[in-house]
Amino acid sequence: DIQMTQSPSLLSASVGDRVTLNCKASQNINKNLNWYQQKLGEAPKLLIYYTNNLQTGIPSRFSGSGSGTDYTLTISSLQPEDVATYFCFQYNSGPTFGAGTKLELK
Amino acid sequence: QVQLKESGPGLVQPSQTLSLTCTVSGFSLTSNSVHWVRQPPGKGLEWMGGIWGDGSTDYNSALKSRLSISRDTSKSQVFLKMNSLQTDDTAIYFCTVVPFDYWGQGVMVTVSS
Repeated sequence: DIQMTQSPSLLSASVGDRVTLNCKASQNINKNLNWYQQKLGEAPKLLIYYTNNLQTGIPSRFSGSGSGTDYTLTISSLQPEDVATYFCFQYNSGPTFGAGTKLELK
Repeated sequence: QVQLKESGPGLVQPSQTLSLTCTVSGFSLTSNSVHWVRQPPGKGLEWMGGIWGDGSTDYNSALKSRLSISRDTSKSQVFLKMNSLQTDDTAIYFCTVVPFDYWGQGVMVTVSS
């Protein structure tokens, strides 16, 4: 099975900060990676699909990049409504999620 | 528009079988794949398995011996059955459609006597 390692597990940042979340796969996943935002009591919300494609309706401050085993979600200017847990998800084979990064305001 | 909605019992006794239904609208099950994902309280997400447009299935290897996913295309429903439930199967169970963009709101299942 492909393991997905997210870092950091907890991130504290201020409004307006540029924030970077990381996801590392145990093997090449060929950019078959999505990023989700999840707020308490809600279903995951797709932000980025196939590594770097912004889902319809998602603010442009969110962006994704990466290849091979290393992937990144960037929030260019953190907003209060971005406080949530973020999960990466690989669907290259035997789909698996990362353990999540909890993003909080400093 | 695309919608998915999970339904099922909120409480299941240990060792019993869980049966959940995902009712979908806005797309055809014969052309799309629906998957199940679960999330224990306060923890991360776990892909359980899914059923493809041609009716074939894929399962998480850790759950494969206990899990069955099927569908009724005439009713636009996908079913999950998992046997031998234990307390660590307590979770919110979600259904989602490939490419994993639309999700149901989830159904909370508690395994307890």
